[in-house]
Amino acid sequence: AQSVTQLDSQVPVFEEAPVELRCNYSSSVSVYLFWYVQYPNQGLQLLLKYLSGSTLVKGINGFEAEFNKSQTSFHLRKPSVHISDTAEYFCAVSQPNTGNQFYFGTGTSLTVIP
Amino acid sequence: DGGITQSPKYLFRKEGQNVTLSCEQNLNHDAMYWYRQDPGQGLRLIYYSQIVNDFQKGDIAEGYSVSREKKESFPLTVTSAQKNPTAFYLCASSMPDRAWYGYTFGSGTRLTVV
Repeated sequence: AQSVTQLDSQVPVFEEAPVELRCNYSSSVSVYLFWYVQYPNQGLQLLLKYLSGSTLVKGINGFEAEFNKSQTSFHLRKPSVHISDTAEYFCAVSQPNTGNQFYFGTGTSLTVIP
Repeated sequence: DGGITQSPKYLFRKEGQNVTLSCEQNLNHDAMYWYRQDPGQGLRLIYYSQIVNDFQKGDIAEGYSVSREKKESFPLTVTSAQKNPTAFYLCASSMPDRAWYGYTFGSGTRLTVV
């Protein structure tokens, strides 16, 4: 089974500063990678996903993530954060042909400080 | 628009009572899932169903029950056997043969025991 590690449980960052949220997964076999965002008392929304091809993936709200196969990582970045980016961020992994079993990280709480 | 509807958004339960959380989707997805979310613990899988009239236990099924009589509906009952039911509950759906699609989430139900 896969495991997903989000190395930082809480990340405070000043408004307009860059941010990186880290995600590592355990298996080196073919995977699909996802980042979801959760605003307070809401469900999870898809930010972006990597399926194949270019290792740099762009998502909504100015976020992007880079797939690194050798390091089994899929870190999320934004060059300049806004107050509205304050939320919980989840990394997730699935594998083809496994019945779409998802493995979630424990989440990173991003707090943007004005 | 297609999506997942969870109701109610907030639910209060007295100790010893069973309560049922509703989850309805109009996405024509075959698979549906229930997750429990506690602060700092990420998402934990309670039950999932890949097809009508079939469901499987997840990691923390004790004290919960589900049914899947219709493709669109996957209600979760929190029984009196669940000793610590206060949490945020999320329902999700997906297509099992399309791991690249990801999960679609509802907006959640916050259950509080009073």
